[in-house]
Amino acid sequence: KNQVEQSPQSLIILEGKNCTLQCNYTVSPFSNLRWYKQDTGRGPVSLTIMTFSENTKSNGRYTATLDADTKQSSLHITASQLSDSASYICVVSPNSNYQLIWGAGTKLIIKP
Amino acid sequence: NAGVTQTPKFQVLKTGQSMTLQCAQDMNHEYMSWYRQDPGMGLRLIHYSVGAGITDQGEVPNGYNVSRSTTEDFPLRLLSAAPSQTSVYFCASRYRDRGHYEQYFGPGTRLTVT
Repeated sequence: KNQVEQSPQSLIILEGKNCTLQCNYTVSPFSNLRWYKQDTGRGPVSLTIMTFSENTKSNGRYTATLDADTKQSSLHITASQLSDSASYICVVSPNSNYQLIWGAGTKLIIKP
Repeated sequence: NAGVTQTPKFQVLKTGQSMTLQCAQDMNHEYMSWYRQDPGMGLRLIHYSVGAGITDQGEVPNGYNVSRSTTEDFPLRLLSAAPSQTSVYFCASRYRDRGHYEQYFGPGTRLTVT
């Protein structure tokens, strides 16, 4: 069964610290993997997208990695800011353009 | 561009009532979709449309209807609301860019069915 699992469910860190969020998937075949940021009360916004041949992609202080062999991805946030408080969602797409497998997300809270 | 807009932002319904959630986009995207988001779960696709006049069912279509008479609008109708339809509903539109799609979400509608 196609599944995307994220860990941890929630995470609290101090402002300025780094953190890493995990995503494991069992989706097959595989087309691409995205990370979304969802602020409270808002819709998700795309942060990065990686295909099978890419193993790292950066967007400012956000760096996503992909290991297609182990079917794992991580999102590393450097020098966290209060505005990074949000849910981060991993989404995997099989070959179909219209099918997306969504993870439940990691809720990240940054404390001053 | 306003992007993807949704109305209303909040709604409370009684069981058995019907209503329409509105969604509009001004980016001329062919593909639009509706999702629901429930606590502890990933977004689930309700219905989608690949262009005006074309709609199809997603993962959880029961209890919902859609139509796409124009490129801009994609309303979602709840036929007879049930407490299980209490959720946050997101409308999205997308387009293909350099081999990948880019998807844009509306701000969501929080629906409570009592």
